Amino acid sequence: GENVEQHPSTLSVQEGDSAVIKCTYSDSASNYFPWYKQELGKGPQLIIDIRSNVGEKKDQRIAVTLNKTAKHFSLHITETQPEDSAVYFCAASPRDDKIIFGKGTRLHILP
Amino acid sequence: NAGVTQTPKFQVLKTGQSMTLQCAQDMNHEYMSWYRQDPGMGLRLIHYSVGAGITDQGEVPNGYNVSRSTTEDFPLRLLSAAPSQTSVYFCASSYLFGDYPQYFGPGTRLTVL
Repeated sequence: GENVEQHPSTLSVQEGDSAVIKCTYSDSASNYFPWYKQELGKGPQLIIDIRSNVGEKKDQRIAVTLNKTAKHFSLHITETQPEDSAVYFCAASPRDDKIIFGKGTRLHILP
Repeated sequence: NAGVTQTPKFQVLKTGQSMTLQCAQDMNHEYMSWYRQDPGMGLRLIHYSVGAGITDQGEVPNGYNVSRSTTEDFPLRLLSAAPSQTSVYFCASSYLFGDYPQYFGPGTRLTVL
C-alpha cells in the first residue's frame, strides 16, 4: 500500500555541521512533498515543501531535493544551530485528498 | 489571525467516559482533519472534512466521531474512552487537502486511565 519511509529515526550532529534526513515513497502518483518541524510540546509546522515539477528548493539554511525516478526526497540543513533541535516529518501526497506522513526523525544538535 | 486553536490542552479521563476535543480555525480553510500522534507511529489520520457538512474516515477512525456544522469548527468526540486512546491529538486545516500545506493546532494531550 501507500507508504512513506523516513530515515534515520534519530540523528545527532555537531553544531555547525550539516544534517540530512531521507524519505522514500511508494506511490509514483505523489506530487507534493512537505517537510514539517515539531518542537517539544507544539504542533508540527511547515518548514519547506516541493512539488514534483521541481528537483530542488532552497530557503536559507534549508534545502529539499526530489528524485522522482528513485521516489525519494531529502531534507538538508546546513550550519546547524541549537534551535534546529526538533522532530522532523516528511510527507507525500499521492492525490489531492490524501497525505501520508513519515514516522519522524528526532534531530539533536550537540554543542 | 489565531490560526488553529485546540481546547483543552490537557485532559485525563476514566475508561468509559466521553468527551469532545474542540478545534477551530479562522483562516477560512475548507479542509480540516484530526490526527493522533503516538511514540514511534508518526501522525495517523483519524477523520477529515472537505467542507461544512462533509466528513470522512481516515486511517484510525474507530472510537471517534466528528461533525462539521460550520467552516470554522471541527470537534472530535470520544464516545467511550479506552486506554488505547491515550495519545496527543492534533487538529489541522488547509486550503486544500493533500497537496497544500497543513496548519496544525498546538495539540491536546489525553490520558485515559
